Amino acid sequence: SQTIHQWPATLVQPVGSPLSLECTVEGTSNPNLYWYRQAAGRGLQLLFYSVGIGQISSEVPQNLSASRPQDRQFILSSKKLLLSDSGFYLCAWSVGSPGHADYEQYFGPGTRLTVT
Amino acid sequence: GENVEQHPSTLSVQEGDSAVIKCTYSDSASNYFPWYKQELGKGPQLIIDIRSNVGEKKDQRIAVTLNKTAKHFSLHITETQPEDSAVYFCAASFLGGSYIPTFGRGTSLIVHP
Repeated sequence: SQTIHQWPATLVQPVGSPLSLECTVEGTSNPNLYWYRQAAGRGLQLLFYSVGIGQISSEVPQNLSASRPQDRQFILSSKKLLLSDSGFYLCAWSVGSPGHADYEQYFGPGTRLTVT
Repeated sequence: GENVEQHPSTLSVQEGDSAVIKCTYSDSASNYFPWYKQELGKGPQLIIDIRSNVGEKKDQRIAVTLNKTAKHFSLHITETQPEDSAVYFCAASFLGGSYIPTFGRGTSLIVHP
């Protein structure tokens, strides 16, 4: 079966520090991968998505970036964190390839980031 | 692009009552409508979905209905239990290209014992 991992689970970082959040998926190949941010009491904001290695689409311009160095690995980064970067970061995957009938999206457990 | 409105933002019910959450979408090309349940501190989990070729789908105590003409879909939970308390998100998407669902803003369901 497929599983998705995120780490760390929680993170407290000072303003101006760098960030690296990692997401890995097991049990599937060539998934679509997504990074979402969820502010307190708010909905899901799509930050980046990727349909393959090295292919990243950005939905919201900001000081975050994403990379996909391997098929099932998705990394969210920042060179300098802002206070507004605080939130709950969720990684997700879907099958999403031509010929697949199911496009269900599965979320990881999330990373709670607090920028102080 | 697609726009999804979800109501209510908060729903409080007594255990055993039914709960209904409604969503509307704007893009008539959308043909896939999943619902997610998010418990506190966890990632959302897919609980049920419906495709545009059906009008209703049931899974035990939960059901989803779709009205393509009016562009709205609803989640129905019967015989609610305290463990149903969570935030529920609806989404709309088009299956055929890159899968990028548009989410509603969420409904916080509180079931009082």
